[in-house]
Amino acid sequence: TQLLEQSPQFLSIQEGENLTVYCNSSSVFSSLQWYRQEPGEGPVLLVTVVTGGEVKKLKRLTFQFGDARKDSSLHITAAQPGDTGLYLCAGVLNNYGQNFVFGPGTRLSVLP
Amino acid sequence: KAGVTQTPRYLIKTRGQQVTLSCSPISGHRSVSWYQQTPGQGLQFLFEYFSETQRNKGNFPGRFSGRQFSNSRSEMNVSTLELGDSALYLCASSLVGTVGGDTQYFGPGTRLTVL
Repeated sequence: TQLLEQSPQFLSIQEGENLTVYCNSSSVFSSLQWYRQEPGEGPVLLVTVVTGGEVKKLKRLTFQFGDARKDSSLHITAAQPGDTGLYLCAGVLNNYGQNFVFGPGTRLSVLP
Repeated sequence: KAGVTQTPRYLIKTRGQQVTLSCSPISGHRSVSWYQQTPGQGLQFLFEYFSETQRNKGNFPGRFSGRQFSNSRSEMNVSTLELGDSALYLCASSLVGTVGGDTQYFGPGTRLTVL
């Protein structure tokens, strides 16, 4: 059983389209991070959200942390082929042996 | 500033053998964490070392072990390799560790294939 679920698992869209990927859990996280991983590379941190209800914008990417700190979303506006990759969310749980728990990821493909 | 480096990048071993992977963190970083990434299970936390001490451990069998040296470089060892150990092994470094969500910087990984 995954502590963090991500949806959709796979997403293939055309350049210029908008998309949203989701990260959900029944557990409360003290903070949540989003990473992007490209083939042959390690994940690269995009953002950290720590406050329930927080919204952060990074150019065309908008990240939202749920009020209850159990879920998060990543919205990409006008997707570009360079956005292609595996998007991973990772949560920090209080009182849990592992510091970071990763979701299974959403594999995004943006076609030109 | 140089990033996290991992050696070797690719490794092929046979069942029953053992393997040692190496990770050099970003200069000044004292925490090194190791993760296993597979298509089926995703990214799973193995363990974290800080100042040469294992601070946290994931749910992996004792065949998986690690250590950290005084210069913060870290190694992980897998003994008696099984086919299911085939994976991308990622190392991540951070200044003071993952407690509180300190930013982790990942290396490119070592791709281990067990035949």
